Amino acid sequence: GAGVSQSPSNKVTEKGKDVELRCDPISGHTALYWYRQSLGQGLEFLIYFQGNSAPDKSGLPSDRFSAERTGGSVSTLTIQRTQQEDSAVYLCAARGASGGAEDTQYFGPGTRLTVL
Amino acid sequence: AQSVSQHNHHVILSEAASLELGCNYSYGGTVNLFWYVQYPGQHLQLLLKYFSGDPLVKGIKGFEAEFIKSKFSFNLRKPSVQWSDTAEYFCAVQGGSYIPTFGRGTSLIVHP
Repeated sequence: GAGVSQSPSNKVTEKGKDVELRCDPISGHTALYWYRQSLGQGLEFLIYFQGNSAPDKSGLPSDRFSAERTGGSVSTLTIQRTQQEDSAVYLCAARGASGGAEDTQYFGPGTRLTVL
Repeated sequence: AQSVSQHNHHVILSEAASLELGCNYSYGGTVNLFWYVQYPGQHLQLLLKYFSGDPLVKGIKGFEAEFIKSKFSFNLRKPSVQWSDTAEYFCAVQGGSYIPTFGRGTSLIVHP
């Protein structure tokens, strides 16, 4: 597609349940990022995928969070045993095809997660 | 470690007023700098970016930003704002890795 898509757009879940958030990046964009945006906060980096390299997981807040990227394309962010503090907008971004650090990040619309 | 500070959290202006949003960063080496904008109901999108060369960078919709290395600043400016500039603005710094650090954002409201 023309841009980064994310699903679902909204997710309401009960505390303790697991959730999966999906990101479908721009075709050919080898770098993919996940961020979390809480109310009144900036974007908090979670995880970074680049091609076939091992992902940079340094931003994941706890071991309840994990992500994978299949076939270098679609990515899934999984949150296990959700807590109320996990409520936020989860954003996915794809970086330009040339692979340089200066390439622009293209953001998806985000998934708004609400944990009751 | 790199960090970003956006001084203004909320800015309210009337149309035709001039705008300057502050952004200061902390990082000891070469940096790439960005301003992103999120219009109501829309995705985050790039407004402008600096990597090298002319420290005065021009972006979309009449915005510009100036990289002042001695002040570790990358302030965003627009000489005359419009109602359609109402949005959330984020400054980001990227130094030494592929992972940018974003500021908390500035909410701009422009009254017609």
